[in-house]
Amino acid sequence: SQKIEQNSEALNIQEGKTATLTCNYTNYSPAYLQWYRQDPGRGPVFLLLIRENEKEKRKERLKVTFDTTLKQSLFHITASQPADSATYLCAPVGGSASKIIFGSGTRLSIRP
Amino acid sequence: GAVVSQHPSRVICKSGTSVKIECRSLDFQATTMFWYRQFPKQSLMLMATSNEGSKATYEQGVEKDKFLINHASLTLSTLTVTSAHPEDSSFYICSARDQGGINIQYFGAGTRLSVL
Repeated sequence: SQKIEQNSEALNIQEGKTATLTCNYTNYSPAYLQWYRQDPGRGPVFLLLIRENEKEKRKERLKVTFDTTLKQSLFHITASQPADSATYLCAPVGGSASKIIFGSGTRLSIRP
Repeated sequence: GAVVSQHPSRVICKSGTSVKIECRSLDFQATTMFWYRQFPKQSLMLMATSNEGSKATYEQGVEKDKFLINHASLTLSTLTVTSAHPEDSSFYICSARDQGGINIQYFGAGTRLSVL
């Protein structure tokens, strides 16, 4: 069955450092992979999408990589800030008509 | 960006009552919407896919008679939790899919359901 694993239940990072979150998937051949941010008691917010033929995507302080051989995506936040503290969810997606299944999420805490 | 409105944000009800949750796409049309449930400190679990003008597609283990979904227009899907019980207490979130072909989902703010 399809499985999505995200690293560690919680990640604590010193402000200013780079946070790196991992998303591994099995029994999937996603056309692209999405990352969302979720704050407590709120719905997720779309951040970035990377296609299977793209190795890397950047948006401001965010960077996403996608390795279809390793079946892994890495999500980086550079120059992290306390406001980046949230849960981050990855979602490998089969195609434009596919339902989206989310990983368990990684709770990121940035300490001042 | 696309906005999805979900109402109510919080509801407390007695066991045995039915609760209706609305999900509206405010500035775009959504032929497909999704309903998720999230328990504390857990990820979102897809319950069903709501299709405009047709029956919803439920995920395995989700009771379709318990969670009634109606998607009567291109901007509105409703989830009704029938005869709610304490174990139905959860955070329910809807989303609507971008029609641009990339399958980005825009989420509502969620509904916190507490069944006494």
